Amino acid sequence: NAGVTQTPKFRILKIGQSMTLQCTQDMNHNYMYWYRQDPGMGLKLIYYSVGAGITDKGEVPNGYNVSRSTTEDFPLRLELAAPSQTSVYFCASSEDNSGNTIYFGEGSWLTVV
Amino acid sequence: GQSLEQPSEVTAVEGAIVQINCTYQTSGFYGLSWYQQHDGGAPTFLSYNALDGLEETGRFSSFLSRSDSYGYLLLQELQMKDSASYFCAMDSNYQLIWGAGTKLIIKP
Repeated sequence: NAGVTQTPKFRILKIGQSMTLQCTQDMNHNYMYWYRQDPGMGLKLIYYSVGAGITDKGEVPNGYNVSRSTTEDFPLRLELAAPSQTSVYFCASSEDNSGNTIYFGEGSWLTVV
Repeated sequence: GQSLEQPSEVTAVEGAIVQINCTYQTSGFYGLSWYQQHDGGAPTFLSYNALDGLEETGRFSSFLSRSDSYGYLLLQELQMKDSASYFCAMDSNYQLIWGAGTKLIIKP
């Protein structure tokens, strides 16, 4: 029962470094999402995808990039990391684009120093 | 603009009933979801209301009134394991907008 798997779980980056957060799902969902969650706050949508080859910006896309070459994979790339990108990142997937039953990965804790 | 408001913290006693309210503001509304998140964990889906009325799932119920732009999550027979943050999220214009969350503290 894998569901949504994201790696790494923890990472410390230096300012200006780049990295990719990996995300894969085995439920054959068309919709995939990347969220960030700052302490004590709700989730903010970074990017989303409605299917392979299609991606779109969410509320807070600046400093990030995504790709969706397959239905299963939706990696998030951070270019030129900044302290403001210190956050918990969640990948998620769903059958449709309503709020009805979104499945989340376990989260990736990222610190930029 | 689009926004949701929910209380930042609610305290209740084990075995009791608690209601977490959520009001929203948006130009295009399709439904209201509720998610539970334990500290250090991922959000997990609880319920979704697209139409007015009450949806019941075991000890949890969710209510929506579209005319009042208001919903609530009702938790019955509270257990210590229900201590978590609860988020309402509105399905608006094909994006999901999240509230800041309500921390539920349960006392024995």
